[in-house]
Amino acid sequence: AQSVTQLGSHVSVSEGALVLLRCNYSSSVPPYLFWYVQYPNQGLQLLLKYTSAATLVKGINGFEAEFKKSETSFHLTKPSAHMSDAAEYFCAVSPFSGGYNKLIFGAGTRLAVHP
Amino acid sequence: DTAVSQTPKYLVTQMGNDKSIKCEQNLGHDTMYWYKQDSKKFLKIMFSYNNKELIINETVPNRFSPKSPDKAHLNLHINSLELGDSAVYFCASSRTGDVSYEQYFGPGTRLTVT
Repeated sequence: AQSVTQLGSHVSVSEGALVLLRCNYSSSVPPYLFWYVQYPNQGLQLLLKYTSAATLVKGINGFEAEFKKSETSFHLTKPSAHMSDAAEYFCAVSPFSGGYNKLIFGAGTRLAVHP
Repeated sequence: DTAVSQTPKYLVTQMGNDKSIKCEQNLGHDTMYWYKQDSKKFLKIMFSYNNKELIINETVPNRFSPKSPDKAHLNLHINSLELGDSAVYFCASSRTGDVSYEQYFGPGTRLTVT
């Protein structure tokens, strides 16, 4: 069964610092991987997704993620954190099951950004 | 225009009651989902419907009964509410046919059972 592990339930960075949120997946076949962001009291918004077209994926708000098959990782990065990036971030994998997708989420990482 | 909407946004009720949450999407998608987010923010799929047909049922208690009157709507009815049902319930929708299609989420319904 496919699963996702997010290392670090809380990450704190200073404004302007590099953001690195870690995600490792387990899958017997190349997966489809997603990063979603959840701002307080809101729904989830897609940041970016990996669908095997390119290993380095650029998303919204300056975020990007690199798919590394050898490390079974899909870490999310942003060169310079902004206060507005403070939110909960979820990595998710989509198992292939007859064309009907469901998302299996990691436990989430709360990003705090300090002035 | 809101892509995926849910009503109500907040729902406070007592144990044993029956309640419903409604979801509508105007994206033209034919697959809709219900996810539950617990107090620790963990998200787990509950159900998925494709063109009004149930295709995913993730071992959810039968007190939960989803209904899809048409492909733009997916409602969730919960009977005999329990304290453990307190959570945020998210509706989502997507296109069908490729698991790379992203899911669009509604704003969530925060259910509190007292």
